[in-house]
Amino acid sequence: DQQVKQNSPSLSVQEGRISILNCDYTNSMFDYFLWYKKYPAEGPTFLISISSIKDKNEDGRFTVFLNKSAKHLSLHIVPSQPGDSAVYFCAASGTGTYKYIFGTGTRLKVLA
Amino acid sequence: ETGVTQTPRHLVMGMTNKKSLKCEQHLGHNAMYWYKQSAKKPLELMFVYNFKEQTENNSVPSRFSPECPNSSHLFLHLHTLQPEDSALYLCASSREGAYEQYFGPGTRLTVT
Repeated sequence: DQQVKQNSPSLSVQEGRISILNCDYTNSMFDYFLWYKKYPAEGPTFLISISSIKDKNEDGRFTVFLNKSAKHLSLHIVPSQPGDSAVYFCAASGTGTYKYIFGTGTRLKVLA
Repeated sequence: ETGVTQTPRHLVMGMTNKKSLKCEQHLGHNAMYWYKQSAKKPLELMFVYNFKEQTENNSVPSRFSPECPNSSHLFLHLHTLQPEDSALYLCASSREGAYEQYFGPGTRLTVT
């Protein structure tokens, strides 16, 4: 049973518009969440993280929102650029543990 | 440049072969990880090393044997693998106590 789910395998967005990638989790003990981006033939690259004591974290064009009651987080990319086209993974862990549970990823395609 | 390198990038081996995957990190980290990513599945943590000591074995079959001679190098020794072991094997590293992990590009393994 997957504890971290990314229910949209793919997403296409027009350049300049907002991309919203979603992630749901089932384990209420998770309290730290990360997003990774992966290009073909490369390893995942850390993008942004959020702790459960926050509901929002922002870094440039990237914002992660956390809704603990719904066990849901989302990654917003504004404005989307063609170079953002990649597979995005969310990952979750409990306090003080490095044992991450990853989602299956969402492939984002930003159309020029 | 992630600072984590993996060799070889591609490997084809028979079920009776013995081979090794190598990972090296140039980031001064003291924790290293092996992950497996099978097709259509999320990343699965296999092993964790902290300061050269194995601290996690996620129920990995004994045909996978990790070795960590120092904090910068990590090996995964493979023997008598099965076709279902074909996957992308990713190495990662992190600072102690840090949540963010930095990944290498991975080794694409095919077992014939």
